[in-house]
Amino acid sequence: EDKVVQSPLSLVVHEGDTVTLNCSYEVTNFRSLLWYKQEKKAPTFLFMLTSSGIEKKSGRLSSILDKKELFSILNITATQTGDSAVYLCAGGTSYDKVIFGPGTSLSVIP
Amino acid sequence: DTEVTQTPKHLVMGMTNKKSLKCEQHMGHRAMYWYKQKAKKPPELMFVYSYEKLSINESVPSRFSPECPNSSLLNLHLHALQPEDSALYLCASSQGRATANEKLFFGSGTQLSVL
Repeated sequence: EDKVVQSPLSLVVHEGDTVTLNCSYEVTNFRSLLWYKQEKKAPTFLFMLTSSGIEKKSGRLSSILDKKELFSILNITATQTGDSAVYLCAGGTSYDKVIFGPGTSLSVIP
Repeated sequence: DTEVTQTPKHLVMGMTNKKSLKCEQHMGHRAMYWYKQKAKKPPELMFVYSYEKLSINESVPSRFSPECPNSSLLNLHLHALQPEDSALYLCASSQGRATANEKLFFGSGTQLSVL
């Protein structure tokens, strides 16, 4: 059965801290690893990773994929209160499905 | 316009009611999706339409009936729902044929309560 596991499930940090969110996956016919940020209701796209070892960056956020060890990390540097959200990791399969993990709930306190 | 618009935002219905959820996008996307999300859980895929044809049905009970009248519009018809169907229903779209390599654009969802 396909599954995506994230850790930690919940995290509280102070503004300015750096955080690392973890995602491991067991997905049949893996095609891609995606990260989304969910504040309130609508998840918004952060990254899509298909190749091992190539870091993707967007401002203070970065992510990398290890296809041999079947995991990905999402790093957020110099955290701000606006980074407080649930971060969802998802595995995409060649059967055109995207399977979401349980999410990491991040709270950034001033 | 980079939005996926869902209506209504909130819906309360009885178990004998018939209602519909509506989703609209004007980004020219050709794949549209319905996800169900229970509180503090990840979104679960229900249906995928690719080029207006149903391509994935994740064994969803027949009391949920999707419809894609055109490439911009996706409906979810609800009939004889159960209280456990109460959840946030998210619509999403992606640019091309529905594949795992597509960025999903989500709407803000319809919060459904079944009494």
